[in-house]
Amino acid sequence: QQQVKQSPQSLIVQKGGIPIINCAYENTAFDYFPWYQQFPGKGPALLIAIRPDVSEKKEGRFTISFNKSAKQFSLHIMDSQPGDSATYFCAASIAGTSGSRLTFGEGTQLTVNP
Amino acid sequence: EADIYQTPRYLVIGTGKKITLECSQTMGHDKMYWYQQDPGMELHLIHYSYGVNSTEKGDLSSESTVSRIRTEHFPLTLESARPSHTSQYLCASSEIERDNSPLHFGNGTRLTVT
Repeated sequence: QQQVKQSPQSLIVQKGGIPIINCAYENTAFDYFPWYQQFPGKGPALLIAIRPDVSEKKEGRFTISFNKSAKQFSLHIMDSQPGDSATYFCAASIAGTSGSRLTFGEGTQLTVNP
Repeated sequence: EADIYQTPRYLVIGTGKKITLECSQTMGHDKMYWYQQDPGMELHLIHYSYGVNSTEKGDLSSESTVSRIRTEHFPLTLESARPSHTSQYLCASSEIERDNSPLHFGNGTRLTVT
């Protein structure tokens, strides 16, 4: 049972474009939503995370938008660069629980062309 | 810079062989995890541990076993490898004290069973 649905599966943009990756969740008990970034040959690494008490969080060129009523959240990458080419995973968990309760989306393979 | 180390990086082995995938971390984290990552990218939790002598099965059924005799070491063993075990295996760790502390992943072991 997939509790976090992620789309699209793959995405190609030109340098400077704004790729948007979307995730939807089912469990209303989720209240912590991280994004992980994975480069080829590497393990995923935490990129940015949000809690549902805010609708948006920015860290550099990366922004999470959160819509609690729709149970959706998305990652926007401003002024995307070829170095942003990677696989991105959204995830969800219940605050106060361990990583063993982190539910990942299926992943989005982003390619930023020069 | 990885503080969590996985060996080997690549392993090609014949059916029926016993294998152990090694994972060590130098961060003193109590929590450790094993994820299986399919070619389609999705991450599946197969084992986790909250500390020495603590091991639990994850969300995805796996024929592998794990042990946690030392805080820093969390090896995964397959008693009799099969082609269906071909996958990438990612080890991760996190702090136990902080809520929703990020997962720190190793770079993975890519296993091929022929």
